[in-house]
Amino acid sequence: KQEVTQIPAALSVPEGENLVLNCSFTDSAIYNLQWFRQDPGKGLTSLLLIQSSQREQTSGRLNASLDKSSGRSTLYIAASQPGDSATYLCAVPASGGYQKVTFGTGTKLQVIP
Amino acid sequence: ETGVTQTPRHLVMGMTNKKSLKCEQHLGHNAMYWYKQSAKKPLELMFVYSLEERVENNSVPSRFSPECPNSSHLFLHLHTLQPEDSALYLCASSKSRVQRNSPLHFGNGTRLTVT
Repeated sequence: KQEVTQIPAALSVPEGENLVLNCSFTDSAIYNLQWFRQDPGKGLTSLLLIQSSQREQTSGRLNASLDKSSGRSTLYIAASQPGDSATYLCAVPASGGYQKVTFGTGTKLQVIP
Repeated sequence: ETGVTQTPRHLVMGMTNKKSLKCEQHLGHNAMYWYKQSAKKPLELMFVYSLEERVENNSVPSRFSPECPNSSHLFLHLHTLQPEDSALYLCASSKSRVQRNSPLHFGNGTRLTVT
């Protein structure tokens, strides 16, 4: 059974700092890996998707990496802003597709002005 | 606008009520999903529909009944719920259930409170 862990559970940083969020998974037979952000009381917004054959993806100030052999993904946020404050979730579908998806419990990020 | 619209945003119901949650996607996707998000727990996948056919039911109690009349609409019918069913119910869609570069798109959810 896939287990997905996100550490730390919460993180508080001053504005402008670069930061890294971590996602670990136990079964390397994954379909892809996705990073989402969730604002309070809202749904999930897709940030980046890394296919199982890829090593990283970039979008603006965000960079996500994937190392299947070690069961790890990181989300790097450059020059953090108060608007980045949210809960960040990683999702790991099993190798067969989206009928089996395991989510982490998330990292709650606060960027202090 | 997320492309996935859920109604209502909030719902309070008694344990003997019957209600329905609605989800509509405007993205031309072929797969739709219901997720449950409870406090302090990871998202749980409840149901998966692909081309209007249910392909997964993750041991969800029968008091939750999904319906997918077409590829754009998904319903979750609720009856005789328990207080522990109170949660945020999220609908999601994707181009396909098995396309690796197709991300999941989520709606804003329905916050359900069972009294």
